[in-house]
Amino acid sequence: GNSVTQMEGPVTLSEEAFLTINCTYTATGYPSLFWYVQYPGEGLQLLLKATKADDKGSNKGFEATYRKETTSFHLEKGSVQVSDSAVYFCALPGSYNTDKLIFGTGTRLQVFP
Amino acid sequence: GAVVSQHPSRVICKSGTSVKIECRSLDFQATTMFWYRQFPKQSLMLMATSNEGSKATYEQGVEKDKFLINHASLTLSTLTVTSAHPEDSSFYICSARAHEQFFGPGTRLTVL
Repeated sequence: GNSVTQMEGPVTLSEEAFLTINCTYTATGYPSLFWYVQYPGEGLQLLLKATKADDKGSNKGFEATYRKETTSFHLEKGSVQVSDSAVYFCALPGSYNTDKLIFGTGTRLQVFP
Repeated sequence: GAVVSQHPSRVICKSGTSVKIECRSLDFQATTMFWYRQFPKQSLMLMATSNEGSKATYEQGVEKDKFLINHASLTLSTLTVTSAHPEDSSFYICSARAHEQFFGPGTRLTVL
């Protein structure tokens, strides 16, 4: 089945720094790819997604590009804010035509003023 | 976006007792809900798919008699951990599917 590998955290940055959280995947075909975010005390929220190769998902200043050549979907943001402090999860469907999601281990981002 | 709630948010119980966790979709109906488990510094692992009005579908390695799932209505699914043991201590997260999956805030279970 499909799988995803995500960089370990925590990632600690100062406000306005550039953020990259790496995510690589193994999959049959070209499934949709997702980034979820979990703010303290809240449930996971879909941050962005890309449904096919070369697509770029974006939301709230975050971006991730679906790169089939490197089987990657790295999350980036040009200037992080304290309010971006959260845990970020990379995810993809477990197999073709399924709702089941396979998640990465999560990366905790801590942004300090 | 749609809201999914879980109750309780955290529970501590003695070994051998049973614990029920509720998952509710507050502003939409969900024919399918999912239950995940997360160990510290590990991925969310899908335990089972809960279908309204029918039996849950369990993932390989998940004991269906230990983790009882009931999806009695379109807005409520419950997970009961029966005869809980310390190794069942974990973070349990549910999600409900509309056009995408919406996740609850999770329930931290500690079994003493």
